[in-house]
Amino acid sequence: EAQVTQNPRYLITVTGKKLTVTCSQNMNHEYMSWYRQDPGLGLRQIYYSMNVEVTDKGDVPEGYKVSRKEKRNFPLILESPSPNQTSLYFCASSPTQGFLKAFFGQGTRLTVV
Amino acid sequence: DQQVKQNSPSLSVQEGRISILNCDYTNSMFDYFLWYKKYPAEGPTFLISISSIKDKNEDGRFTVFLNKSAKHLSLHIVPSQPGDSAVYFCAASYGGSQGNLIFGKGTKLSVKP
Repeated sequence: EAQVTQNPRYLITVTGKKLTVTCSQNMNHEYMSWYRQDPGLGLRQIYYSMNVEVTDKGDVPEGYKVSRKEKRNFPLILESPSPNQTSLYFCASSPTQGFLKAFFGQGTRLTVV
Repeated sequence: DQQVKQNSPSLSVQEGRISILNCDYTNSMFDYFLWYKKYPAEGPTFLISISSIKDKNEDGRFTVFLNKSAKHLSLHIVPSQPGDSAVYFCAASYGGSQGNLIFGKGTKLSVKP
């Protein structure tokens, strides 16, 4: 089954404790991206990758890091999480430029206290 | 400045009637427009798209109309079904060499039996 898998689905952490949210896709897509969803703000892009070792900033990259060492994986790293990073995070992958017909993971709900 | 706007946070329609969800955009460089549907506790799923060179695209009960001069697109669902109740996100893409998919804030559709 074609899918994007994120882990964990839920996470509560404390301010400043480094964490990683993993994302893996099994569709051999070149394009991957991270979004956060906040009430009243919709989905905002954090980072995206157009191929292995090629990443770029989206609209809200501050406080986040990503890496793309393998085609299937695109982890999101919060080096020093803060409460304003409490959000619902989605990973997406797409076979096309512009993220047309992107497939999304089920989401990771992160709470930073 | 918000480039993709969905000005109606919610919409309620009766089963069997038409649902019309609206979206406005400001950037004339967008060359693809997409609609995604999101159920609670799930990631968004791709619904339908339209290229900027077209003014209409149809897929079963779903039709998207694009008015480039007005920078406006709409999603029509006919007939509406209770299972269509979800949040609908309008999104726009530069296609090309960009990796950005810009989302609106979403419209929550409720279809009443």
